[in-house]
Amino acid sequence: TQLLEQSPQFLSIQEGENLTVYCNSSSVFSSLQWYRQEPGEGPVLLVTVVTGGEVKKLKRLTFQFGDARKDSSLHITAAQPGDTGLYLCAGSWGEKLTFGTGTRLTIIP
Amino acid sequence: AAGVIQSPRHLIKEKRETATLKCYPIPRHDTVYWYQQGPGQDPQFLISFYEKMQSDKGSIPDRFSAQQFSDYHSELNMSSLELGDSALYFCASSLVGKTEAFFGQGTRLTVV
Repeated sequence: TQLLEQSPQFLSIQEGENLTVYCNSSSVFSSLQWYRQEPGEGPVLLVTVVTGGEVKKLKRLTFQFGDARKDSSLHITAAQPGDTGLYLCAGSWGEKLTFGTGTRLTIIP
Repeated sequence: AAGVIQSPRHLIKEKRETATLKCYPIPRHDTVYWYQQGPGQDPQFLISFYEKMQSDKGSIPDRFSAQQFSDYHSELNMSSLELGDSALYFCASSLVGKTEAFFGQGTRLTVV
């Protein structure tokens, strides 16, 4: 069973601060996705990373895939209240998508 | 752009009843996944289908079954419902060879 550990599990910071969320596994992924989920809604895909060492930027969000393709990080710059939500990483092995344990982020205005 | 459609959005059933959840994937997507998400938990993989055949199986109870039809829509059938089955059930679809999965808005099942 492939396990994805996310840290921190909960994070509450002030608007304007920076933060980093981590996603780690002992297994090598074929690809990794980051999703954001609002309460009662389905996860929304933010980004997919495929290549070891890959860095992708989405406005204030920076995603990095580890060189060994076992870990990933999400960095948010100048966090805004609209960034509040549950952030999930998900690793692909074949046709199965396995989710991480999630990071519940709260941005305080 | 068309998204993944799930129905119903909300469902209330009594213990020991049956329920059927439906999922209509994004057009031309050939792979469907089902996930269960309990309160405060991350989504747990139940089962997936590719080209109408079961492709992978996760923590799906024996009381549940699913299938994918010729038009690629999928149905999750749940029997002998238990209180613990109350959860959000998500369907996602993807295109084989592509790593991204796109999720529907989910069906909230409440068993009373």
